[in-house]
Amino acid sequence: QKEVEQNSGPLSVPEGAIASLNCTYSDRGSQSFFWYRQYSGKSPELIMSIYSNGDKEDGRFTAQLNKASQYVSLLIRDSQPSDSATYLCAVDGTASKLTFGTGTRLQVTL
Amino acid sequence: DGGITQSPKYLFRKEGQNVTLSCEQNLNHDAMYWYRQDPGQGLRLIYYSQIVNDFQKGDIAEGYSVSREKKESFPLTVTSAQKNPTAFYLCASSLGINTEAFFGQGTRLTVV
Repeated sequence: QKEVEQNSGPLSVPEGAIASLNCTYSDRGSQSFFWYRQYSGKSPELIMSIYSNGDKEDGRFTAQLNKASQYVSLLIRDSQPSDSATYLCAVDGTASKLTFGTGTRLQVTL
Repeated sequence: DGGITQSPKYLFRKEGQNVTLSCEQNLNHDAMYWYRQDPGQGLRLIYYSQIVNDFQKGDIAEGYSVSREKKESFPLTVTSAQKNPTAFYLCASSLGINTEAFFGQGTRLTVV
């Protein structure tokens, strides 16, 4: 089992819709969870961090964490073409190393 | 202007050659990381360091070496033992464990 798993996509959503990106992790001792956005050919950019169960909202982005189910998700409301990118889930586990999933490619269509 | 600087942006290596990728940060971060990304793939951890003069192997450390003699610097050497070094190399830093990590702009290494 991979430490951090994501569906590779592509996830295609129309402009203005809600995009839902999911991530599961295997280390029950994980304490910190992050979402990064990576445009093609560029380095990852941090967009959300979440540390406790529940929802955390920042503008059009909402991160959701459920430690019991070992599940973290990212919702993007009012999706825009500029949101088209690969979204990486990262988890900081008990070994204190930051582990990434393989990423989900999001395509926002006009 | 605070941030993480990786150099060079592009690097070409001949077969059997060692090359060193530079990573410098002026964010006063304790933790630093090196990742490798292959086309269409996620980030794989090569080495990480939580404090000066200490570092740990990540998931794919074979063929790589690092040093952490200064808080600001975490250079990565790709040795000739790394058989498939062509990739996008990313350096990141964070304030400490379990905190947000920020990335440099990356170095693209190609074997010629």
